[in-house]
Amino acid sequence: AQSVAQPEDQVNVAEGNPLTVKCTYSVSGNPYLFWYVQYPNRGLQFLLKYITGDNLVKGSYGFEAEFNKSQTSFHLKKPSALVSDSALYFCAVRDWGGNNRLAFGKGNQVVVIP
Amino acid sequence: DVKVTQSSRYLVKRTGEKVFLECVQDMDHENMFWYRQDPGLGLRLIYFSYDVKMKEKGDIPEGYSVSREKKERFSLILESASTNQTSMYLCASSADGTSQETQYFGPGTRLLVL
Repeated sequence: AQSVAQPEDQVNVAEGNPLTVKCTYSVSGNPYLFWYVQYPNRGLQFLLKYITGDNLVKGSYGFEAEFNKSQTSFHLKKPSALVSDSALYFCAVRDWGGNNRLAFGKGNQVVVIP
Repeated sequence: DVKVTQSSRYLVKRTGEKVFLECVQDMDHENMFWYRQDPGLGLRLIYFSYDVKMKEKGDIPEGYSVSREKKERFSLILESASTNQTSMYLCASSADGTSQETQYFGPGTRLLVL
């Protein structure tokens, strides 16, 4: 079965510093990978996805993610964190069980400290 | 922009009540999904539907049923609500055809069962 792991429950970073949120994956087919963000009391918003092509994927709000096949990782990054980036971040992978299912990680709480 | 709406942001119900959660999408998407979100567990798929009147069990279907009579509407039903169904419920939709299609989420319904 397809799965993703987000090893850290919470990431604390000072405003202006680089932000990294880690994700590793396990798939039996091609890895289609996604990042979503959830602000307090809101639904999930799509940030970016990797399907094929360049290993560095650029997304919304200045975020990017790097696909690394040898390390089976898809870490989310932002060069300079903002207080408004404080949210819950979910990594997900296409579940080849069918019908566009996604398997989500448990989520990472990001806290950006002013 | 894709819009997914959910009928209620907050609901309070009593044990044993029948509960209906409604989800509507306006982008003519074929696929619709119901998840529940609990702290530390991430998103877990309850049911999904890939066509009108079609439904598939997800990972945790017990205690739930669904209905999809029209393409744009996907309802989640708690036949007899129990306290362990207190959770945040998220609806999502995605287009069909290519397997990499992004899922778009509604704002969520926070359900409290007393």
